[in-house]
Parts: sequence; structure tokens; C-alpha cells
Amino acid sequence: DAGVIQSPRHEVTEMGQEVTLRCKPISGHNSLFWYRQTMMRGLELLIYFNNNVPIDDSGMPEDRFSAKMPNASFSTLKIQPSEPRDSAVYFCASSRADSGGAHEQYFGPGTRLTVT
Amino acid sequence: AQSVTQLDSHVSVSEGTPVLLRCNYSSSYSPSLFWYVQHPNKGLQLLLKYTSAATLVKGINGFEAEFKKSETSFHLTKPSAHMSDAAEYFCVTGTSYGKLTFGQGTILTVHP
Repeated sequence: DAGVIQSPRHEVTEMGQEVTLRCKPISGHNSLFWYRQTMMRGLELLIYFNNNVPIDDSGMPEDRFSAKMPNASFSTLKIQPSEPRDSAVYFCASSRADSGGAHEQYFGPGTRLTVT
Repeated sequence: AQSVTQLDSHVSVSEGTPVLLRCNYSSSYSPSLFWYVQHPNKGLQLLLKYTSAATLVKGINGFEAEFKKSETSFHLTKPSAHMSDAAEYFCVTGTSYGKLTFGQGTILTVHP
């Protein structure tokens, strides 16, 4: 398996522009997670989906952030408009999870976002 | 609520000496526990996981962790450090639907 695939790997954009990050989870996994990692805050869970349905989006910083999972093999995280404080590494992870307990998550390589 | 506390933000060892990264957990029932590693500018990689089948869990790259319920600990160890072990290590606990709660991380430095 190719693992979790994220694109782009690097994104540099100007403040005010729309940014879309993409993720393809591992085939057969039914949970998908978006994280943000910065030096100041460490690793933060933004939102996660189970069977394509958003379960918890309490980590989404504000209305400028939105995430979708239209099908089991694709998810997007959109920032509109972007701000310099959004600069971070964004990770996508997937797992085969169920309500009975936690399963390990497999992380993608991340997207390094720089907003100038 | 489940949580984990990593007791050291930084650990420094010499190559060839043992590694000990400490983690305590807080849980009202049998927890799911993991250790992840993150090398510089890389994603997170699963080292090992505890699933209650055995208290001593062996992972990749010679790492292992022991679940001690009496001490609520899940420390990560390796008998002999290698330069390539230098990275940040996260102790993690899991909840329903697979949501993970990460510790603050321990940066491991390995000196020649």
C-alpha cells in the first residue's frame, strides 16, 4: 500500500489567498484525521471523520477553516482566507477505527504551509 | 478523560547506551497506548502499541515498552542507542472512534 498520500508537500501563498490541502487515506480505513503542528502549540487535532462523517471539529481554529470528505478515499482541508499565523505543517492520518476502541493511526508526510 | 504525561521534554544519551523515555497515563479503564516517533521534517511513525495482550510490547528498531498498571506507566526503552534514533517521541493514548491524545513529546539527542 502507498500509505497516506498528501498534496501538495509544500505550499507558499500570500495572505488572503485560499489554500486547499488534499489527503488520500489508506484503502480500507474508515477514519480520517487532520492535524496541525507548530513549534508553539505542538500537534493539534483539527477535525476527524468516521465513515466520511465529521465526528468532532472542535479543534478547527475558526470559520476560515473547513474540511470535507466527499468519499472514503479523499478529503480536503481548506483555509479561506489564509493568514500568516496559519503557517504550519498539516498532517492527515487514517485508521481502521470503530466504537469499540482506538486503533493506530497512519500519518501522511505532511504539507508544509507558509503564508506570507 | 484519558491523557498521557511525558515526564521529560528532552533526553540526551551517548551512542551505545540505554534509552529510557518516560510516560504516565491517566485512564479509568484499560487504555490503548502507543508510542510514535517523528524524525526531523518527517511525518509520525508508529513504533509500537499496547493492546492488553501482553504487558511487554516490542516495536520496531529495537524499541520496547512495558505497561505497568500499578504505576500507570508505559515507558519506552532501547538497550543501545543509535545515532539514527535521534528524533522526537510521542506517547499517545486512544479513545473511541480512534481519536488519539498525544503527549507533549520528548526530544531524544544521541551523542557520538
